[in-house]
Amino acid sequence: QVTLKESGPVLVKPTETLTLTCTVSGLSLSNGRMGVSWIRQPPGKALEWLAHIFPNDEKSYRTSLKRRLAISKDTSKSQVVLTMTNMDPVDTATYYCARVPLRFLYGMDVWGQGTTVTVSS
Amino acid sequence: EIVLTQSPGTLSLSPGERATLSCRASQSVSSSYLAWYQQKPGQAPRLLIYGASNRATGIPDRFSGRGSGTDFTLTISGLEPEDFAIYYCQQYGSSVTFGPGTKVDIK
Repeated sequence: QVTLKESGPVLVKPTETLTLTCTVSGLSLSNGRMGVSWIRQPPGKALEWLAHIFPNDEKSYRTSLKRRLAISKDTSKSQVVLTMTNMDPVDTATYYCARVPLRFLYGMDVWGQGTTVTVSS
Repeated sequence: EIVLTQSPGTLSLSPGERATLSCRASQSVSSSYLAWYQQKPGQAPRLLIYGASNRATGIPDRFSGRGSGTDFTLTISGLEPEDFAIYYCQQYGSSVTFGPGTKVDIK
């Protein structure tokens, strides 16, 4: 059974950098077919895709946030890390990671439970 | 960036009724890369449909998807109490976008 779990700070201050970790269990990140996306959801609002890392380490980012985001993976630890710089209160949201097999042909088929991040001084 | 528009914003129906949800794209989307998700309060989204019309593992056959180009539809043939939720469509082209969601609530 494949599971994903997000971890990171609950509270960050404005202008700080957020680092979130997605730990994948039950499947190797080096299997050549699995990518991982990060998605967020501000309170009461819709889902917003942020970034994706493909099996070949290719990366893709939300255009409007591209300058603030960086995604990477550590296959030895089965982790995918997302950093977001210059945090602002509008970045307050629940952040999810999701498994994406075969370049989105099968959708985002396994999601983590999400981690809630509040940006406040 | 491809913008997805979902309608209606809210659909008020009774259990047993048929729900038809629309997802329209600002430009053509490959049906291979159109997915639908269900989200209940306090929960992560759950994949329902991928490739526009393929049910994900464990999804009941009352859920069906269809469409091509810029117009896609999710149909729930007979609403069960557990189906009242928010539904999102999502596409992958050069980037990934989600629609704003359709809330299906109890009439």
